Amino acid sequence: GAVVSQHPSRVICKSGTSVKIECRSLDFQATTMFWYRQFPKQSLMLMATSNEGSKATYEQGVEKDKFLINHASLTLSTLTVTSAHPEDSSFYICSAGSGGAGETQYFGPGTRLLVL
Amino acid sequence: SQQGEEDPQALSIQEGENATMNCSYKTSINNLQWYRQNSGRGLVHLILIRSNEREKHSGRLRVTLDTSKKSSSLLITASRAADTASYFCATALTGFQKLVFGTGTRLLVSP
Repeated sequence: GAVVSQHPSRVICKSGTSVKIECRSLDFQATTMFWYRQFPKQSLMLMATSNEGSKATYEQGVEKDKFLINHASLTLSTLTVTSAHPEDSSFYICSAGSGGAGETQYFGPGTRLLVL
Repeated sequence: SQQGEEDPQALSIQEGENATMNCSYKTSINNLQWYRQNSGRGLVHLILIRSNEREKHSGRLRVTLDTSKKSSSLLITASRAADTASYFCATALTGFQKLVFGTGTRLLVSP
């Protein structure tokens, strides 16, 4: 099956610093990747849709200058949380699309971010 | 909000019993998917049912879809302690790449 990895699995940083999270599709090419945020015991909230070689499409209410997304290749997308604050602490999950619109997504294991 | 609603929010059963979770959504869909999430982990795809399908099976899983009522159900038969997880429905909206996730059902299966 399709495998998606995320790195790091958890990160602790000081307020004001930037944190980069990588999402890689290991055994297939992903033209589309998605970034989600999940609070404890809640559902996934889509932050943005990332298409290889073009600008990400952000969901309403998500600050694009705060959450920088780069999808430079068919196997790698990165999310950078800039000038992180304690309220940015959350579980961030990426997924890669398997093909056409609305098809199965393959999820990474998630990254737990704690901002002190 | 486009987010789907799931019920129950939490379900606690004994091993061997069946577990049924329901999902309702609001708009026209291309397909509906069910995912499972173990605590603190990523999501695992379980099953996809297209808008022109009414029922689908995969092992101990049975999914139904009623587009007239905009609802779906996931049945897990003969549950096991290892089925303990959160289960989410996700709808693929017509014309969109993204999925919209439901609120989730936390299932606890006791030995």
